[in-house]
Amino acid sequence: LAKTTQPISMDSYEGQEVNITCSHNNIATNDYITWYQQFPSQGPRFIIQGYKTKVTNEVASLFIPADRKSSTLSLPRVSLSDTAVYYCLVGRFTGGGNKLTFGTGTQLKVEL
Amino acid sequence: AAGVIQSPRHLIKEKRETATLKCYPIPRHDTVYWYQQGPGQDPQFLISFYEKMQSDKGSIPDRFSAQQFSDYHSELNMSSLELGDSALYFCASSSPDARNTEAFFGQGTRLTVV
Repeated sequence: LAKTTQPISMDSYEGQEVNITCSHNNIATNDYITWYQQFPSQGPRFIIQGYKTKVTNEVASLFIPADRKSSTLSLPRVSLSDTAVYYCLVGRFTGGGNKLTFGTGTQLKVEL
Repeated sequence: AAGVIQSPRHLIKEKRETATLKCYPIPRHDTVYWYQQGPGQDPQFLISFYEKMQSDKGSIPDRFSAQQFSDYHSELNMSSLELGDSALYFCASSSPDARNTEAFFGQGTRLTVV
């Protein structure tokens, strides 16, 4: 599995755009990039998933360059409720279930 | 929509006792994952099951065992409990979609060993 590297923490203010970059130099051809959000004492929650280029949904965008060795989660206009830990996962369906291994996430703190 | 159900939500056990955690995946999901998350730590993958067979194994102690039953629910059995086993235990499930790596997590079981 590709190892992922993210910043340990980030600070932002309400209304700003936050970009969290994840490095995954050893990503394999069949790997997808998935981001999860976790609040204290709650299970991680899926945010977005992508394979290449750009993916956008109602809560975030995911930018993946052509070489796929990194990805950037973009959260537009964050609010206090976006304070959470964000995890970047690289995994693939192996025919026997997905491999979902969490690395060290990014603690995002949003202030007024 | 139905979510992943874990029971119990809280559990207090003494050292050397046994605990059983249960997980009921979303209907039609065939894959179940178990994670352990200690205070201030990232979720650590323990074990996963696909179609009732163990599909992957992580850092699960030999004192722990798990299985997935015919109705796809899963149980994590923990024996000879130690203080260090105190943690949040999450179960997640995913669908048989080959391109979808989205997993849905339950609310977790908080195990306290005293």
